[in-house]
Amino acid sequence: GAVVSQHPSRVICKSGTSVKIECRSLDFQATTMFWYRQFPKQSLMLMATSNEGSKATYEQGVEKDKFLINHASLTLSTLTVTSAHPEDSSFYICSARVEVDGYTFGSGTRLTVV
Amino acid sequence: GESVGLHLPTLSVQEGDNSIINCAYSNSASDYFIWYKQESGKGPQFIIDIRSNMDKRQGQRVTVLLNKTVKHLSLQIAATQPGDSAVYFCADYSSGGSYIPTFGRGTSLIVHP
Repeated sequence: GAVVSQHPSRVICKSGTSVKIECRSLDFQATTMFWYRQFPKQSLMLMATSNEGSKATYEQGVEKDKFLINHASLTLSTLTVTSAHPEDSSFYICSARVEVDGYTFGSGTRLTVV
Repeated sequence: GESVGLHLPTLSVQEGDNSIINCAYSNSASDYFIWYKQESGKGPQFIIDIRSNMDKRQGQRVTVLLNKTVKHLSLQIAATQPGDSAVYFCADYSSGGSYIPTFGRGTSLIVHP
């Protein structure tokens, strides 16, 4: 089946630094990818929709200058958390649309900002 | 868009019992539903799906029931095993919408050996 590889799985960074998370579709082309954020014991909240070759579409309340999304190829989307703060600590998950009704998810990235 | 909600945050069962996880949705235009399983520290995994033209769909040890009249969805897991312990989410889609899954809060299933 379609596989999305996400890394790193865990990252610890200092406040004020930036962190990049990668999401790759391994055996299919993903024109659209999605980035979610999940706090402990809570549901997945959609942050943005990443479109290959164009600007990402951000959900209301998500700072586009803080969460930079790049989808430069059909197999790679990246999320960069800029000037990270402790409140950005969370579990970030990417997802790719496989077909009209199908989605596959990455394994997630645990970000801890100290 | 409208949200998908879950009735129970935690469900504890004994190994071998059958588990039923419930979900309510509010968007009457939703016509496709998926159940996901999320283990600790991992991304969601597809379990089973159902379209609105069906009332029931069975997989391996899992059954999804859809009641469109009351906008209710349930996931039944037969002979629950410790490996089934996870958080289960339902998600709804609308063919007239964005096709982006909207996740409910989740139900944590705890299976006691």
